[in-house]
Parts: sequence; structure tokens; C-alpha cells
Amino acid sequence: DAGITQSPRYKITETGRQVTLMCHQTWSHSYMFWYRQDLGHGLRLIYYSAAADITDKGEVPDGYVVSRSKTENFPLTLESATRSQTSVYFCASSQPPDTQYFGPGTRLTVL
Amino acid sequence: RKEVEQDPGPFNVPEGATVAFNCTYSNSASQSFFWYRQDCRKEPKLLMSVYSSGNEDGRFTAQLNRASQYISLLIRDSKLSDSATYLCVVNSGGSYIPTFGRGTSLIVHP
Repeated sequence: DAGITQSPRYKITETGRQVTLMCHQTWSHSYMFWYRQDLGHGLRLIYYSAAADITDKGEVPDGYVVSRSKTENFPLTLESATRSQTSVYFCASSQPPDTQYFGPGTRLTVL
Repeated sequence: RKEVEQDPGPFNVPEGATVAFNCTYSNSASQSFFWYRQDCRKEPKLLMSVYSSGNEDGRFTAQLNRASQYISLLIRDSKLSDSATYLCVVNSGGSYIPTFGRGTSLIVHP
């Protein structure tokens, strides 16, 4: 039972490059989420999706793009990475009214 | 006022101590409540749900006070392995988008 996985687990990239972080869940949960976590800010919601082909902005969406063509996948793309996007990114899924389950995270460094 | 507030700590306690954290929420329509645990550089993991009647899981007890709009987490007989950050999570009525507190840091020392 793989649950929810993220790839890559670690990524170093340069300013201006496009980066895609992958998230895959095996539970067929309807909701999926992307968060970033930085010191002093806690978890901040970037985007979420209530179902395939339905996405919506969270608290900090600027500079990010998401898609959800299949229920199990929810990739997050940084169109032109900036240093301020250096962070730990967590994907999560849930099947309401149950709570969320998180992936192991991706540590992204933008040089 | 933030939607979900927690004392960031750290709470520094000796092994065997009892420690309690509170978390306040601002939306009176909030429906469901949870405590998560997050170890350093790891993903948050569900610790326990918080029910209106309160609930207990071993050394951990969670309580909900709707009148005062807070939830609490009590840890008895603290272990070194309890050292972590504890996140309070609140779901408002009609929304499946949870709101996370920033977490309370617990350090249990020998």
C-alpha cells in the first residue's frame, strides 16, 4: 500500500528554470493539496483540487501552476523558479469528511 | 486574528512529565478538529481526531471546548520520542480545506 508519494524527494535548480514536482496517491481520494513549509510560516496552501479537472487557488498560488487530469496525480509546476520558492513542498490527499494524509515532501533549492 | 492559533513554545519538559497544549480557533462554524504530529524535516502525521466528547489514545487525551473555541492536547508520562511539533487542524463547516496552526514545539529531555 504505497499511499501517497512525491518525487523527486530532493531537487536543486537554478533561477528561471521550470520545475515540476509530482504527487501520486493510490487511495482514489477526491481532494488533493499542495503546501509549502518555511521556517516562521508553518504550512501554507498553494493550490488544491476537489476532483479531477477541478483546481483552485490557496493562500500563496503566485508562480505556481497545477493540473489534475487523473484523480491519482496532482503535479505542481514552478514556471520560472525564483529563490523565494526554495522550500519544502508537501502534497496531501483526503476523502471528506476524513482528514488529510501527507506525502513525504520534496526539498527544493533554487540557486 | 489568525484563524487557528497555537503557542509556538518550545515546551521543554523532563521525561515523565505531563504537558498540555491549547489551540484556539476563530470560526464558530468549525466542525472537525485534529492534532497532527510533525517530526523535524518530515511530513505531518495524524495523531488523533478531537471529538465533542473528548477522546483518549494511550497517553494522549484531546478535548474540545466549543464555548471557548479551543481544543487541547494532554500528553501524560512524556517520552523522549514525544519530542516533535504538534499541529492543530480545524475544518470549518462546509469546507474540506483544513486550516493549520503553526504548531507547538515540544522537547522532552532526560
